[in-house]
Amino acid sequence: NAGVTQTPKFRVLKTGQSMTLLCAQDMNHEYMYWYRQDPGMGLRLIHYSVGEGTTAKGEVPDGYNVSRLKKQNFLLGLESAAPSQTSVYFCASSYSRTGGGYGYTFGSGTRLTVV
Amino acid sequence: GDSVTQMEGPVTLSEEAFLTINCTYTATGYPSLFWYVQYPGEGLQLLLKATKADDKGSNKGFEATYRKETTSFHLEKGSVQVSDSAVYFCALANTGNQFYFGTGTSLTVIP
Repeated sequence: NAGVTQTPKFRVLKTGQSMTLLCAQDMNHEYMYWYRQDPGMGLRLIHYSVGEGTTAKGEVPDGYNVSRLKKQNFLLGLESAAPSQTSVYFCASSYSRTGGGYGYTFGSGTRLTVV
Repeated sequence: GDSVTQMEGPVTLSEEAFLTINCTYTATGYPSLFWYVQYPGEGLQLLLKATKADDKGSNKGFEATYRKETTSFHLEKGSVQVSDSAVYFCALANTGNQFYFGTGTSLTVIP
């Protein structure tokens, strides 16, 4: 099925460890996004990309890095994990800047716990 | 800046009850408005949308009307089912490169 695939689905990290979350979409979308979801705070944008080779900061970019080397993939990296980064991370994609009235397509999420 | 405010939950209803989840927005220009639904353990799914004033979005028995005069996009359903238990997010898309999401409203429907 076409859509957005996130890996891994679950991960437990120790403070200071690093990891990379992978997002892959097969819809040929130009725009891709990384959000984190925390209780009572809804979804907050971490970083986004408007096309292959581009990235930009969102609302809460500190402690994260991203890369978009291929159009279909958007990677989110944590260089030195902290307990404050415990969250559920969602990747999304869209074919135009505002989704063209169709909105975003979301992945199923990665639940990350930093101990 | 642009923002979305939705009613806080959690909301608990009996099956077949009427549902309203309020959503108001602040934006310049003419944004598009959306409702997303998140079932337990899953990502967000688009439920319905409206792209201009007075448009009514509808899907799976849910409806919402884009009211520019009151800057609102309230979600309604006439008769909820247990399977509607989920978290509902109101969202806005404007000229920037992102959506603005509300904080989500958790709905539990009991038999």
